[in-house]
Amino acid sequence: DAGVTQSPTHLIKTRGQQVTLRCSPKSGHDTVSWYQQALGQGPQFIFQYYEEEERQRGNFPDRFSGHQFPNYSSELNVNALLLGDSALYLCASSLPDMSYEQYFGPGTRLTVT
Amino acid sequence: AQKVTQAQTEISVVEKEDVTLDCVYETRDTTYYLFWYKQPPSGELVFLIRRNSFDEQNEISGRYSWNFQKSTSSFNFTITASQVVDSAVYFCALRGNSGYALNFGKGTSLLVTP
Repeated sequence: DAGVTQSPTHLIKTRGQQVTLRCSPKSGHDTVSWYQQALGQGPQFIFQYYEEEERQRGNFPDRFSGHQFPNYSSELNVNALLLGDSALYLCASSLPDMSYEQYFGPGTRLTVT
Repeated sequence: AQKVTQAQTEISVVEKEDVTLDCVYETRDTTYYLFWYKQPPSGELVFLIRRNSFDEQNEISGRYSWNFQKSTSSFNFTITASQVVDSAVYFCALRGNSGYALNFGKGTSLLVTP
């Protein structure tokens, strides 16, 4: 049973650039959430996608955008990168009901220089 | 608003000791869900348990046990006879029925030494 996969594993970008991170959900899951985890902190919710629509968004600027494809995979895009965007970006998948647990991928480590 | 507080930043124990990780939460939602996740050095968050607000029954799974008390808004996690492989950062998280986001505490770093 394939778990949540993310690519790439690591990424180094320059301030002002744009980045795209990718996520494939666990088999059978159709809901994808994205989280940002700064060093030494708990993950912070960015947004959640279900049925190819963003259905909830956390307190992140519009520079952060996403997309969900018909096969339930998802992308996270960040424009105009800032040094403060350096973090571990975690993708989580679940069934759509809020009672279900979310399963996380290994994350993408983004470093902005 | 949802809030999770994990007051213990770091805990260090010797192998075979019991250890309890504390979690206190705040929510105005009448129905909510509590979770514990483990994050080993590899970085991937591993789901451990989910507890619904309407089910206060405590749970035991092997060396792990969880104590949920609505009266004190706490959902504590105990590891019995700790092992070196238990070394990780442990996160408590909360989701209310008003949203889909998981709200995490800052985590407790557990170090188990031989």
